[in-house]
Amino acid sequence: DAKTTQPPSMDCAEGRAANLPCNHSTISGNEYVYWYRQIHSQGPQYIIHGLKNNETNEMASLIITEDRKSSTLILPHATLRDTAVYYCTLGYSTLTFGKGTMLLVSP
Amino acid sequence: EAGVAQSPRYKIIEKRQSVAFWCNPISGHATLYWYQQILGQGPKLLIQFQNNGVVDDSQLPKDRFSAERLKGVDSTLKIQPAKLEDSAVYLCASSLGAGVVGETQYFGPGTRLLVL
Repeated sequence: DAKTTQPPSMDCAEGRAANLPCNHSTISGNEYVYWYRQIHSQGPQYIIHGLKNNETNEMASLIITEDRKSSTLILPHATLRDTAVYYCTLGYSTLTFGKGTMLLVSP
Repeated sequence: EAGVAQSPRYKIIEKRQSVAFWCNPISGHATLYWYQQILGQGPKLLIQFQNNGVVDDSQLPKDRFSAERLKGVDSTLKIQPAKLEDSAVYLCASSLGAGVVGETQYFGPGTRLLVL
């Protein structure tokens, strides 16, 4: 069973920030939080990962709560091409995926 | 830098037939993964190789599935005989290190299998 809980779907207007939540209350001390996304008919694409501190890269920001029991992926200015299934997953060197969140970005 | 390559992209077979998928990881990547993704679900790890050794195959149905990674580079995944429930996308991924914590996995485009 996946160790993360995500809403099944979310909507976002183009140009607005998309905030995708993830609960991982049973996370172990050394497990990383990873975010991947999967655009239809493609393989999953790495977005970002972190252990304790907040992280930012050219694609997104990752906010991890102090107790590490939840996190939020932020896409600062969503575009139509960001429409995809977003997976929050935990792991060391192997990953366990849940069903993810289907993010629909509309004009 | 070339990504993870997989072939074929699509395959249709009848149940009880055999099928094989091929994966070429990113050059220099020590770890290779095979995942199965059933429609509407997230990917499920089938097997993980470090170089040419198996690290984790606990979720591989060994009565019908087999995988090898000769010479620690490319890999093949075989199903023999196939069942209807094997219809899925088979994803290959690779990562640079061998057993390194916090590494990124890079996925190929997948092979879409339909068993009739």
